[in-house]
Amino acid sequence: TQLLEQSPQFLSIQEGENLTVYCNSSSVFSSLQWYRQEPGEGPVLLVTVVTGGEVKKLKRLTFQFGDARKDSSLHITAAQPGDTGLYLCAGSYNQGGKLIFGQGTELSVKP
Amino acid sequence: KAGVTQTPRYLIKTRGQQVTLSCSPISGHRSVSWYQQTPGQGLQFLFEYFSETQRNKGNFPGRFSGRQFSNSRSEMNVSTLELGDSALYLCASTFLGQGSGNTIYFGEGSWLTVV
Repeated sequence: TQLLEQSPQFLSIQEGENLTVYCNSSSVFSSLQWYRQEPGEGPVLLVTVVTGGEVKKLKRLTFQFGDARKDSSLHITAAQPGDTGLYLCAGSYNQGGKLIFGQGTELSVKP
Repeated sequence: KAGVTQTPRYLIKTRGQQVTLSCSPISGHRSVSWYQQTPGQGLQFLFEYFSETQRNKGNFPGRFSGRQFSNSRSEMNVSTLELGDSALYLCASTFLGQGSGNTIYFGEGSWLTVV
């Protein structure tokens, strides 16, 4: 059972375009994390959101946690080829190292 | 501050053998978790250790086991390897304390190929 639905699974866009990745669940999470992973490497943490309605910005990346803490989105403005990679959302029900991961979004930004 | 360190990075084993993977968490982090990543199943939680005790367990067979030492370093073991165990095995650490949030950091992983 996939508890965290991430969409789209694949996204190919041109440099300069904007994009949004969605992460949805029927479960309430205590926190949600977004990671970016390069081929053959471990996921690198981008952000952790813990409060319903929270919005965090990291340069051209904007992360939002839904009011009910069941969903989240990642918006990238003016995408660049360096943004290419696998983006993963992961929810946690409590403190600790157990995360429920979405399927991931493979982003390709072409110059 | 050094990140999460995993060894070995790459290894090839034969069906039926066993393998042990090692993980050193970020200094001060006492919780260590293990994940399996495959193209078909994505990232799946194996287990979590805290203060040398298993705190959480995922839905994997008993061939997958782990332990944690007093210095928080952790090992995971897979016995009687099967072809389907070929995967990237990731270790993650977190502080797990009052007011620490729940920020979890991953290592670079150990690539296991079973032939």
